Amino acid sequence: EPEVTQTPSHQVTQMGQEVILRCVPISNHLYFYWYRQILGQKVEFLVSFYNNEISEKSEIFDDQFSVERPDGSNFTLKIRSTKLEDSAMYFCASSEARWDEQFFGPGTRLTVL
Amino acid sequence: SQQGEEDPQALSIQEGENATMNCSYKTSINNLQWYRQNSGRGLVHLILIRSNEREKHSGRLRVTLDTSKKSSSLLITASRAADTASYFCATDADMRFGAGTRLTVKP
Repeated sequence: EPEVTQTPSHQVTQMGQEVILRCVPISNHLYFYWYRQILGQKVEFLVSFYNNEISEKSEIFDDQFSVERPDGSNFTLKIRSTKLEDSAMYFCASSEARWDEQFFGPGTRLTVL
Repeated sequence: SQQGEEDPQALSIQEGENATMNCSYKTSINNLQWYRQNSGRGLVHLILIRSNEREKHSGRLRVTLDTSKKSSSLLITASRAADTASYFCATDADMRFGAGTRLTVKP
């Protein structure tokens, strides 16, 4: 069964550093999403991406965040200058249609020191 | 912002019992989805119900949707210890997840 993959599984970085989290969505899916989950809290929507552009974003997704589909398979989330409060699990998801059944990746645990 | 809100926040039952959790939302929708999350893992899609459907089954899962009350319920029958997880609903209006229902099934 096809699955969404994410790398790395765990990323440790120093405050102020840039990080790039990578995702490979399911190949025939057209919609891609990033979510985050701070430890012990709910899953929060960050951004959705379709046709090579952002289609929706939340108030969390500020100027320090960016997303890109650099090639036909990868979907990346960049955090430009990490803060302590960016420490969280980041989940990528994809779906065939907008807000339809989403397939989630296993997540990247980001730790900002 | 609108989001699915689940209740109860926590539910503890014995193996073999049924578990029912509820979801409320605020605006009109095209579909509502239920997801499950094991601790620290990604969400797993369980079932999607469309606004023109009232009930849907998938294995031991039964989902109902009442668009007039803007609510949905998820019933897990004959629960197993492996069903222990957090359960979330989300609608296509914005796919914001609530805090979820934490289900514990005791063996």
